[in-house]
Amino acid sequence: SQTIHQWPATLVQPVGSPLSLECTVEGTSNPNLYWYRQAAGRGLQLLFYSVGIGQISSEVPQNLSASRPQDRQFILSSKKLLLSDSGFYLCACVNGQGDSPLHFGNGTRLTVT
Amino acid sequence: AQSVTQLDSHVSVSEGTPVLLRCNYSSSYSPSLFWYVQHPNKGLQLLLKYTSAATLVKGINGFEAEFKKSETSFHLTKPSAHMSDAAEYFCVVRRGSSYKLIFGSGTRLLVRP
Repeated sequence: SQTIHQWPATLVQPVGSPLSLECTVEGTSNPNLYWYRQAAGRGLQLLFYSVGIGQISSEVPQNLSASRPQDRQFILSSKKLLLSDSGFYLCACVNGQGDSPLHFGNGTRLTVT
Repeated sequence: AQSVTQLDSHVSVSEGTPVLLRCNYSSSYSPSLFWYVQHPNKGLQLLLKYTSAATLVKGINGFEAEFKKSETSFHLTKPSAHMSDAAEYFCVVRRGSSYKLIFGSGTRLLVRP
């Protein structure tokens, strides 16, 4: 079964600083990969998904970008963080389509000060 | 268009009493439905999934859910709540082979001793 590694677990960054969150997946190949954000008191918002290397789909216009340099690596970035970027960021993967469930990493808690 | 509605943002039960978390969905196609649980500062864990094989689905930790097409519902139940069940629960729908999953807004379950 898949294992998803996310790091760091927590991060405190000042406004205007850059961001790089990394997610790697083990136990599967050619997965679909996702970045979600969960803001305080709100549900999960899909930010990006990727169906293959170099293929990124953005769900909402924002201050963030994503890249997939390798099959099992998914990176979330920002050049200049905003206060509104604070939240809990979750990486997820699914192998195949149809009824396959999403598997989640343990998340990164980002606080922008 | 697909949507998921979790009818209660908060549910409070006493330990040892039944749990009912309600979910209604709308989907133009045969959906796949999932329930996830999230403990504080953790990723989401799959509880169970419906894939049209059986309308009553059994999951982990004693949870089960029943798919009712006529009511477009997929409510989550457990006969007897345990303190460790206190968490947030998400109902999720996936349409056919779509890459996207739609999350409900979540229900926070509180278990009183």
